[in-house]
Amino acid sequence: GAGVSQSPSNKVTEKGKDVELRCDPISGHTALYWYRQSLGQGLEFLIYFQGNSAPDKSGLPSDRFSAERTGGSVSTLTIQRTQQEDSAVYLCASSPDRGYTFGSGTRLTVV
Amino acid sequence: KQEVTQIPAALSVPEGENLVLNCSFTDSAIYNLQWFRQDPGKGLTSLLLIQSSQREQTSGRLNASLDKSSGRSTLYIAASQPGDSATYLCAVIRGGTYKYIFGTGTRLKVLA
Repeated sequence: GAGVSQSPSNKVTEKGKDVELRCDPISGHTALYWYRQSLGQGLEFLIYFQGNSAPDKSGLPSDRFSAERTGGSVSTLTIQRTQQEDSAVYLCASSPDRGYTFGSGTRLTVV
Repeated sequence: KQEVTQIPAALSVPEGENLVLNCSFTDSAIYNLQWFRQDPGKGLTSLLLIQSSQREQTSGRLNASLDKSSGRSTLYIAASQPGDSATYLCAVIRGGTYKYIFGTGTRLKVLA
């Protein structure tokens, strides 16, 4: 596609439920990143995929968070047993090398 | 550990002014630096990407400079307009890594 596409754009979920956030990167971009931006905070790195290499999961805040990237393209970030502190904007970016192109994000609200 | 600082945190200027946003980083071994803007409730839009071998990049009314030795970058906005109102973020990638480290941003408001 023309840009990085994220869905849904907004998600409200009840505490304790699982959620899946989707990212469709720019075609041909080998690198894909997930970041989180909490209210009034900077961007927090979550996970990085590069080609067929093992992902860098060093930023995932707990084992409730997981992500996968199928066929080197679409990625899904899954948060299990959501907590109120998970409320944030989740941003996905893709890159052919090191310059990022971001999607418009998914705003997650846990009530 | 790389730390990225942006000063000022917030800035309000009248329309038409030229302005400079500052970004400093503690580890000069960067691969590149990228400036982004973020509108409220939106994702990030890339403005300028400066490779470590470059000193500056220009796009329209925007000019970004990079001084690796002093750990500084500036984003110059000429003839500011109300549409420039947004949060401006700088981010650096260290050589040998792929992960950007972001500053906390400068929130700019241009008054009509």
